[in-house]
Amino acid sequence: DAGVTQSPTHLIKTRGQHVTLRCSPISGHKSVSWYQQVLGQGPQFIFQYYEKEERGRGNFPDRFSARQFPNYSSELNVNALLLGDSALYLCASSLGDRDNSPLHFGNGTRLTVT
Amino acid sequence: QKEVEQDPGPLSVPEGAIVSLNCTYSNSAFQYFMWYRQYSRKGPELLMYTYSSGNKEDGRFTAQVDKSSKYISLFIRDSQPSDSATYLCAALAGAGSYQLTFGKGTKLSVIP
Repeated sequence: DAGVTQSPTHLIKTRGQHVTLRCSPISGHKSVSWYQQVLGQGPQFIFQYYEKEERGRGNFPDRFSARQFPNYSSELNVNALLLGDSALYLCASSLGDRDNSPLHFGNGTRLTVT
Repeated sequence: QKEVEQDPGPLSVPEGAIVSLNCTYSNSAFQYFMWYRQYSRKGPELLMYTYSSGNKEDGRFTAQVDKSSKYISLFIRDSQPSDSATYLCAALAGAGSYQLTFGKGTKLSVIP
């Protein structure tokens, strides 16, 4: 079975630009979460979506937004990129039917902002 | 103070050694505890998932949770070079909170 897939794998952007990251969950999973992992740190929670509705939001500015589509795939959008947005962006999927459903992560999109 | 504290290491052990990885947490609401393994340039892979206090064993891996002292441990028996990775502990409150809180991760090297 295919795991969580993310695209693109690498991305280089300039300060001030906009970026869209994409995620396809494991088949049968209805929840998608986004995390940011800065080098040398653990992942930080950005969003969780379940059945196309936002179910949780971390401490990130409004420049970060996301959505989930009817097929449960998801996009993470970041506007007005800053150098500090350079990180590995991880998508995780879960069944989502309970708040303690285990998360399964993809390999991430490595974003570099210059 | 971060909600989940983890010594980043690095930790280097000889092949076959028993490895002990530890985290502490401060949020009493945490009920679910996880260990993830992350290889370089890969996403975190779920290793162990436990609820409340107690032990859970899976092959060479044993996870322990002591809620009274807010202490989480992962033991790896008969460590192998393929165990070389960064190990992340994580905690979840549940009860309507869907946010996993991670430690910084401990980088482990198992030397042949």
